[in-house]
Order: sequence, then C-alpha cells, then structure tokens
Amino acid sequence: AQKITQTQPGMFVQEKEAVTLDCTYDTSDPSYGLFWYKQPSSGEMIFLIYQGSYDQQNATEGRYSLNFQKARKSANLVISASQLGDSAMYFCAMAATEGGSYIPTFGRGTSLIVHP
Amino acid sequence: DSGVTQTPKHLITATGQRVTLRCSPRSGDLSVYWYQQSLDQGLQFLIQYYNGEERAKGNILERFSAQQFPDLHSELNLSSLELGDSALYFCASSAGPAKGDTQYFGPGTRLTVL
Repeated sequence: AQKITQTQPGMFVQEKEAVTLDCTYDTSDPSYGLFWYKQPSSGEMIFLIYQGSYDQQNATEGRYSLNFQKARKSANLVISASQLGDSAMYFCAMAATEGGSYIPTFGRGTSLIVHP
Repeated sequence: DSGVTQTPKHLITATGQRVTLRCSPRSGDLSVYWYQQSLDQGLQFLIQYYNGEERAKGNILERFSAQQFPDLHSELNLSSLELGDSALYFCASSAGPAKGDTQYFGPGTRLTVL
C-alpha cells in the first residue's frame, strides 16, 4: 500500500530564509510520481512541483526545489528566499499504480508560517 | 488560476438533504477526480472519471455518486446528508490517467450541513 508521511505539523521561517519541508513515502511500485501542493488560507490547492521516480535530476520550479533521495524514500520540498505569501499548508503526494490506478495519496500536510 | 472551475463555492444545507456539486475540467483534460477534505480525515480521494467512464473508486460512500458528461464536466451528488459530510470538496483534472499526469485542483466547494 502507498503511504505518505509528513512529520512536521508546523514550521516557522524568517522572511528571505530557506526552509525545508519533509516528506517520506513508501510504495512497492518502482515507477511513481511525487507532487507538492500549496493550500493557502483561501482554500485552493495549488500545484507546485513534480518529480518522477526515474528522473535523474531533482525538480526545480522557481524558488521551489524537490530534494529527491530515492534510497531514503524522501522527497523534501525546499523553498528558497521565503516570502510572506508562502505562509500556507503544504501537502506532499505520491502516485503509483498499485491496484491498477494512478491516484495520488496525500500526506496530512505541514503548516508553514513566514515571519517578517 | 488552475483552469478548473467548481460551483457553487459555498453550500449550506440541512441534514437529510441532497446537493449537487459541479466541476468543469481544464481545457483538454479528460480525467476528473473528486476529493473530500476534512480536518479529521485529511484529503481523501473519492472517485475518478476518464472520458466519461468511471476509472477508479476511493472512499466514496454509497450515498454519494458522480458522473462525467459528454462535454467532460462532472457532477458529484451527495444525498441523505449528515453532519459529518461537512467538508471542502475538491475537483481536480488531468490530461489522462497516465503516470506522471499532474492533477490541477479547482477552488473547491465548501459544504456545511446543519
């Protein structure tokens, strides 16, 4: 069965500093995808970044990068130069084809607060 | 803006009632997914449709049903509503059911059952 774990319920960071949000996963499928989403207080879920299990390089999208360590089954999100608008819930998700369908399983989320 | 639209944004109703939530996927996307987000259960997958056909089923109650129409919009029907059904309901869409397909979420419908 697929499992996603986000062990940090809450994180605080100073504006302009970098922050790492942890995510570990478990699956028996060698081919899978890892996703990060942001949910601000307004409620919408915003796609941030994707990493495929066979991708050789870590994914990057602007200030977001995914620190993918396959052997450790971790897919941490790194946000560089934090901004006040980064304050939100962040969800890690993994999709594999266990059971015949490619449906993401989401972690419980990490609440990030950026201080001025 | 993800390109996925959901209506209504808010819905307040009473126990025992029936409601319909509507979703229009991004242009070109064939897959639609429904999720329920509550404080105690987190984000739970309910059901997926691909090009009009049910593709995968998650933790969807028998009181809930969904369909995807020929124009690819989807509706989630919730009946015999209970207090515990109060939640944020998301629709998401992706190009297909293939590996690597990213799901883009709509703004959600916040359902309150009184």
